[in-house]
Amino acid sequence: DAGITQSPRHKVTETGTPVTLRCHQTENHRYMYWYRQDPGHGLRLIHYSYGVKDTDKGEVSDGYSVSRSKTEDFLLTLESATSSQTSVYFCAISEADQPQHFGDGTRLSIL
Amino acid sequence: GESVGLHLPTLSVQEGDNSIINCAYSNSASDYFIWYKQESGKGPQFIIDIRSNMDKRQGQRVTVLLNKTVKHLSLQIAATQPGDSAVYFCAENMGETSGSRLTFGEGTQLTVNP
Repeated sequence: DAGITQSPRHKVTETGTPVTLRCHQTENHRYMYWYRQDPGHGLRLIHYSYGVKDTDKGEVSDGYSVSRSKTEDFLLTLESATSSQTSVYFCAISEADQPQHFGDGTRLSIL
Repeated sequence: GESVGLHLPTLSVQEGDNSIINCAYSNSASDYFIWYKQESGKGPQFIIDIRSNMDKRQGQRVTVLLNKTVKHLSLQIAATQPGDSAVYFCAENMGETSGSRLTFGEGTQLTVNP
């Protein structure tokens, strides 16, 4: 949707392993966001980017890092995955003061 | 049918009825609000937005009302159809100085009965 591709769509991994999720956009939007969605918590912001190499923390950033080396790609890394990071992860893009548009998510299970 | 605040997460209506989904927001400085629809297994989909200089905005079968005095939003869906069954989220935009971040409500599950 809206030129956003998340990969992988599904992943199962073990506790303690590193995991990287990718978000790729074809819209050339300035802002990119990573959210996690858990039952009872709605969508919570992990990190966001307001330009190449410009990132900032959201409300649930502990245990996550991000990188944005070019406009179209925003990577989310779990350095050492824990079971509490089992979730559905959504990427979103926007221009300033415009609606965010979301990808279809990555379902991540950490055993 | 009508939902009440964020603590009633489900709303069940009959096909053809009007639906009203309510949302309270937290930040009196927020000036931009968005409604999203999320179907099972998909990402949130933009429905309609409203800026704080407006009280009402209409789209196709949907209307958003904004009451800044009590920090309340509502989404009205006219002639609700089975395809409207989904979770609906309101979101407030924290402004460009905060990276145009969104804070989401917990969502309301709308079920449309044929």
